[in-house]
Amino acid sequence: EAGVTQFPSHSVIEKGQTVTLRCDPISGHDNLYWYRRVMGKEIKFLLHFVKESKQDESGMPNNRFLAERTGGTYSTLKVQPAELEDSGVYFCASSQSRFGGYTFGSGTRLTVV
Amino acid sequence: AQSVSQHNHHVILSEAASLELGCNYSYGGTVNLFWYVQYPGQHLQLLLKYFSGDPLVKGIKGFEAEFIKSKFSFNLRKPSVQWSDTAEYFCAVNDAYNTDKLIFGTGTRLQVFP
Repeated sequence: EAGVTQFPSHSVIEKGQTVTLRCDPISGHDNLYWYRRVMGKEIKFLLHFVKESKQDESGMPNNRFLAERTGGTYSTLKVQPAELEDSGVYFCASSQSRFGGYTFGSGTRLTVV
Repeated sequence: AQSVSQHNHHVILSEAASLELGCNYSYGGTVNLFWYVQYPGQHLQLLLKYFSGDPLVKGIKGFEAEFIKSKFSFNLRKPSVQWSDTAEYFCAVNDAYNTDKLIFGTGTRLQVFP
């Protein structure tokens, strides 16, 4: 079974630019999650999709972040405009059922300069 | 609010040494507990999880963890580490009934030297 795929693996952008991260979950996984790790700190929850609906977006830092999951398949996370503090590693994860362990992707390392 | 503390930020061991990584959580309700590992250049992988039942949980690659409810702890152990265990280890918790949002600790970086 293919794992959770994220791309790009690395992105370097200038402050004020827009970046879109993509996550392809494991086929058939209705639950999709985004997490972020700012350097040296803990991995923090951003949001949770069930199919195409946002189940919980309590971790989204501000309205510069927009997540979508069209058709309940892949998801995108757009940051517009990017700020320096948005730098970090963005992880995506998926699961078939809730309350279990997820499968994580390798992450996208975002650097805003 | 839920929180997870991992007391060791960086651990250095020689091969064959025993390992114990501390994890304490703060939450008043029923929780599920997890240990994840991230090997260099790879994705986060689930090492083991505790939902209920036997508090001593065995995971992959010879790892185990013990849930001590009275101490709010879920320490990870391995009797004899190998060079290939070099990785970053994350403890995580979620509310067992209300949400599957994971709360992570800050991670422990383990370096094992031959």
